[in-house]
Amino acid sequence: KNQVEQSPQSLIILEGKNCTLQCNYTVSPFSNLRWYKQDTGRGPVSLTIMTFSENTKSNGRYTATLDADTKQSSLHITASQLSDSASYICVVSEGGSYIPTFGRGTSLIVHP
Amino acid sequence: NAGVTQTPKFQVLKTGQSMTLQCAQDMNHNSMYWYRQDPGMGLRLIYYSASEGTTDKGEVPNGYNVSRLNKREFSLRLESAAPSQTSVYFCASILFGTSGLDEQFFGPGTRLTVL
Repeated sequence: KNQVEQSPQSLIILEGKNCTLQCNYTVSPFSNLRWYKQDTGRGPVSLTIMTFSENTKSNGRYTATLDADTKQSSLHITASQLSDSASYICVVSEGGSYIPTFGRGTSLIVHP
Repeated sequence: NAGVTQTPKFQVLKTGQSMTLQCAQDMNHNSMYWYRQDPGMGLRLIYYSASEGTTDKGEVPNGYNVSRLNKREFSLRLESAAPSQTSVYFCASILFGTSGLDEQFFGPGTRLTVL
């Protein structure tokens, strides 16, 4: 069964600090991996999408990495801001499948 | 482009009542999805429609029905609401291509409470 595991479950950091969120998956064959940001009370919004051939992708202060050999991804947030407080969801798509596999998310709280 | 829109935004039902959640997308996407999100559970797939004219069950389909009205619209119906269906419901759509960069877009959600 395809699975996506995220860690930590929750994280509290001070404004201006960096942090890294982890995603491990067992989805095969791999098609792509997406990181989403979900603000409280809103729908998820895509941050990055990576295919098998990509090992890093940036979107402003967000940088995602992918190691397809170890089936691991990370999302690094640089110089955190209060607006980064949200849930971050890792989603992995299987080649040929219409159903992406979702992680349960990491809840990030940024304190002033 | 409005993206993915959902109506209503909020709804309160009594046990046994029925209702339909509406979803529409204007991105010409072929596949559409209904998810529910409960605290600590993440997003769980209720039903999906790979293309116009087809629908399939997801992980948690019991108590729900869907209709893919046309390429743009995908509705979710609760025939007899139960308190266990209290949740936030998200509609999503995606256009599968050949690049592998298939992005799934989500609506703003419908917050449903069943008393």
